[in-house]
Amino acid sequence: SSELTQDPAVSVALGQTVRITCQGDSLRSYYASWYQQRPGQAPVLVIYGENNRPSGIPDRFSGSTSGNTGSLTITGAQAEDEADYYCASRDSSDNHHYVFGIGTTVTVL
Amino acid sequence: EVQLVESGGGLIQPGGSLRLSCAASGFAVSSNYMSWVRQAPGKGLEWVSLTYSGGNTYYADSVKGRFTISRDNSKNTLHLQMNRLRDGDTAVYYCARELVAAADNGYYYYLDVWGKVTTVTVSS
Repeated sequence: SSELTQDPAVSVALGQTVRITCQGDSLRSYYASWYQQRPGQAPVLVIYGENNRPSGIPDRFSGSTSGNTGSLTITGAQAEDEADYYCASRDSSDNHHYVFGIGTTVTVL
Repeated sequence: EVQLVESGGGLIQPGGSLRLSCAASGFAVSSNYMSWVRQAPGKGLEWVSLTYSGGNTYYADSVKGRFTISRDNSKNTLHLQMNRLRDGDTAVYYCARELVAAADNGYYYYLDVWGKVTTVTVSS
């Protein structure tokens, strides 16, 4: 199966911008989706497709894709954005399977 | 309101069986793609299984041959039958709805609704 690679952790100052990246061969075939998971809570979809936000997700969250890399950007990070963020996509080596990245822990300083 | 509520988790000995349930409201499981995703303690998310609206089913290699995903359309409920459980199956389990949308270069898939969680602990 394919893998999606994420940095384990990043930090961002309150109000600043942070970009989280996700690399993998599957992203050449499928857009990444991004999930926010706060401690003790279920994941929540924040970005899907080229750059789509579900209802209720603040517009400070945005996504982009280039080649085999997907990115999630938080512009003007807030304290409540401190969470784990996972990318995911269908697996290009077996497109009936899903693959998740290892997750990136975002700390807002 | 679109919602998923899991149940059925618990403490089970290695080699035992459990059946997880995921009751949906606000939409029909029969006409949607549905997945199970799990998360071992302190670890990341791991996809477990997928069923298409047409009934085809798919599994991660780690559970293939031991787990079975199914639906009860009359109760609008998704199930995960877990047999021959191992220590490594200890995790919280989420059910999720998968949506598909057309893009310029194909389709994209995403899990838009997740259940709250049910916990499975495999231990002697």
